[in-house]
Amino acid sequence: DTAVSQTPKYLVTQMGNDKSIKCEQNLGHDTMYWYKQDSKKFLKIMFSYNNKELIINETVPNRFSPKSPDKAHLNLHINSLELGDSAVYFCASSLGGGYTEAFFGQGTRLTVV
Amino acid sequence: GENVEQHPSTLSVQEGDSAVIKCTYSDSASNYFPWYKQELGKGPQLIIDIRSNVGEKKDQRIAVTLNKTAKHFSLHITETQPEDSAVYFCAARVPWGGYNKLIFGAGTRLAVHP
Repeated sequence: DTAVSQTPKYLVTQMGNDKSIKCEQNLGHDTMYWYKQDSKKFLKIMFSYNNKELIINETVPNRFSPKSPDKAHLNLHINSLELGDSAVYFCASSLGGGYTEAFFGQGTRLTVV
Repeated sequence: GENVEQHPSTLSVQEGDSAVIKCTYSDSASNYFPWYKQELGKGPQLIIDIRSNVGEKKDQRIAVTLNKTAKHFSLHITETQPEDSAVYFCAARVPWGGYNKLIFGAGTRLAVHP
């Protein structure tokens, strides 16, 4: 049983396209996150949701829109993809907003060509 | 502002040796410090964490120390094995608008040679 699962694992797309990444957790956690990891492995938070409510939006372009239909799911939709969006995107979850024992998904490698 | 510095960026050791990774944080309100291990093609995995009311924590071959006064915390891996090879991230939890954020260090690529 995968605790935090993301789909797809790989995504190659052309500039200007719109794409979505899905995330689901079966841990019963009420807080979920999206992180971006750049080519130098630097991890930076993008969004945080608590019980379907957006609590952190870390100056991410409007082209990125997270959606949480329920507390077990947090999807990321990206409009008008740019070359600079190429990165690995990680979904994570934790019990409460304290980050204690945050679990990460396996990542989605997005390549924009 | 919020910042976590991590050193070294790469570390190469012989199997059986010890490895030490050091981090410094800037926000004195930080009170929780997890360490993550990221293997190739996988997501970061929590390996050990420490809270600000504790100075040291140990779990088998790994240990973490925290010096709140100096705002330093370190990861110690003893008797390293090839499977310890990975990228290690330190992080500090900082309060943010009634919630929390995790600020990550830049990572340390550890290579353990047989």
